[in-house]
Amino acid sequence: DSGVTQTPKHLITATGQRVTLRCSPRSGDLSVYWYQQSLDQGLQFLIQYYNGEERAKGNILERFSAQQFPDLHSELNLSSLELGDSALYFCASSVVGITGNEQFFGPGTRLTVL
Amino acid sequence: GENVEQHPSTLSVQEGDSAVIKCTYSDSASNYFPWYKQELGKRPQLIIDIRSNVGEKKDQRIAVTLNKTAKHFSLHITETQPEDSAVYFCAAVLIQGAQKLVFGQGTRLTINP
Repeated sequence: DSGVTQTPKHLITATGQRVTLRCSPRSGDLSVYWYQQSLDQGLQFLIQYYNGEERAKGNILERFSAQQFPDLHSELNLSSLELGDSALYFCASSVVGITGNEQFFGPGTRLTVL
Repeated sequence: GENVEQHPSTLSVQEGDSAVIKCTYSDSASNYFPWYKQELGKRPQLIIDIRSNVGEKKDQRIAVTLNKTAKHFSLHITETQPEDSAVYFCAAVLIQGAQKLVFGQGTRLTINP
């Protein structure tokens, strides 16, 4: 158990719908990252938040957005869903500092768009 | 931005033999290189990492080497065991930057008994 939690574990929805994925980082970690892993694909970085502020953006679609709340949990919002958005979505957290950057991954949310 | 290439995409070795996975990166400023192991349907887990001021690091049967000049790093697993079967991802990151991990495409390692 990495200490990072994600809910829900599974999500099945229809095209055009909107969903929200939730992530709680490890205690003390200020940085949260979101990654998308499509079937047989690698891990694609979507977005990073640090202490409530957006820090970096990757290949995140305009239909997707995220935020980090004062209690440091984060939510990834996916709207106007398409079949191709079906994937595993991982959240990771880390202590951002000069000594290293081990990212601890949550168990993931498997999103299926029908 | 950073780009990481990983080879091979699949690797099959006999139990007890060694396995080597190689990665190259494009951004010479990257200074932290972790390796993650992901079993089917599970989260990626860090197995070893190396920083740019170190050329080699070992942890029991696992070792990583880094060649900064050539911008490549490799994962070496010796005396492979069935439980080593998984997908392995390399990554590169600039610690002082945004710290987003840029992953390689992954290597599916199969250990044959």
